[in-house]
Amino acid sequence: ETGVTQTPRHLVMGMTNKKSLKCEQHLGHNAMYWYKQSAKKPLELMFVYSLEERVENNSVPSRFSPECPNSSHLFLHLHTLQPEDSALYLCASSQDWISGANVLTFGAGSRLTVL
Amino acid sequence: DAKTTQPNSMESNEEEPVHLPCNHSTISGTDYIHWYRQLPSQGPEYVIHGLTSNVNNRMASLAIAEDRKSSTLILHRATLRDAAVYYCILRGSGGSNYKLTFGKGTLLTVNP
Repeated sequence: ETGVTQTPRHLVMGMTNKKSLKCEQHLGHNAMYWYKQSAKKPLELMFVYSLEERVENNSVPSRFSPECPNSSHLFLHLHTLQPEDSALYLCASSQDWISGANVLTFGAGSRLTVL
Repeated sequence: DAKTTQPNSMESNEEEPVHLPCNHSTISGTDYIHWYRQLPSQGPEYVIHGLTSNVNNRMASLAIAEDRKSSTLILHRATLRDAAVYYCILRGSGGSNYKLTFGKGTLLTVNP
């Protein structure tokens, strides 16, 4: 499999649940990203990882907890979410995180609904 | 972050060329101009990027003004599959401008 794969594609959870979103890239990239896309809003950058080290946390609430065990995998752990957290969560990767010429490859996203 | 300005929407006919404009008057010398598009229910997809010179690839062409304060994405023959939201984004190297910050983009409608 090539590109960036996100699972699950759809997730429905209650406010007291704990769930995780998974992202995997087979491109040999060193940087991985989480973006959030709420309805009728632009994409918002949440986290950036470079070689498993977090380099950016864009003021994201602590109920979202990222994990990057290796340069190919990225997780977003979710707990005690709010209905307003319902959104499309997109994972992306790039060769590195610092060069302006680097291109991001996005996954298809995980559609999250919080009841 | 350096900002871009795009029309909210544009309409085109199938098999005709499409010129999508983007203004970026506050661009800095090290900012690359990136274009991505997002089809319905999908993640964004890279289209093209450039720094100073015009660029061509299999998907599109990018025309960059001489002063770099504006650029135009050119789809040479629009197809129904090109209907998407197109984002023009500036991305610098290093510092805080490395982020790929998305705006609202231009919604392109392609008529059969």
